[in-house]
Amino acid sequence: GAVVSQHPSWVICKSGTSVKIECRSLDFQATTMFWYRQFPKQSLMLMATSNEGSKATYEQGVEKDKFLINHASLTLSTLTVTSAHPEDSSFYICSARVTGRAFYGYTFGSGTRLTVV
Amino acid sequence: AQKITQTQPGMFVQEKEAVTLDCTYDTSDPSYGLFWYKQPSSGEMIFLIYQGSYDQQNATEGRYSLNFQKARKSANLVISASQLGDSAMYFCAMRGMDMGRRALTFGSGTRLQVQP
Repeated sequence: GAVVSQHPSWVICKSGTSVKIECRSLDFQATTMFWYRQFPKQSLMLMATSNEGSKATYEQGVEKDKFLINHASLTLSTLTVTSAHPEDSSFYICSARVTGRAFYGYTFGSGTRLTVV
Repeated sequence: AQKITQTQPGMFVQEKEAVTLDCTYDTSDPSYGLFWYKQPSSGEMIFLIYQGSYDQQNATEGRYSLNFQKARKSANLVISASQLGDSAMYFCAMRGMDMGRRALTFGSGTRLQVQP
């Protein structure tokens, strides 16, 4: 239970184009989704927190116009990297809040490796 | 503000031996939770173990145990009988009191390599 399906698992795009990453909760309702970015050999850094039906809360230093987050339903949250540049190349991973003992509150998508060329 | 510190960028261990991965934390919240995750090269985050700040006993999950020393603000992960498949990045993370919306704060990670 408490599975988050994240797609795509990897994507290569040209500089200047936009990329959308989806996280779907398959067997539960995700009222809150966290989006993280992880550069190679570094830790997970929180980018933003999204709550269903409201605007996302972005961490300091994260450009909200560049990283568009939509959480329009209880089962789908999306992150769109607009006008991507090589420095946006990173591993992006979502995490949903869950209830129940199995994960003590959090379950993760499998991540998306973005390469901008 | 919360902070997680992992001082071991890399660790080596022989297969079948035990290894301890260090984690210290800092928080002003009276109630908090501590997590350990394993991240293999595929990138997925695999939940290993959880310790609540008010739990009286140290958490254990199979070969994983958490050495929780609240006064020292440390939550070290002990892996017993290491296996080759344990080679991965390991992250310590913390959740604060506002569990409803608070994201996890992660440490910098420790890369564990198990040698045959």
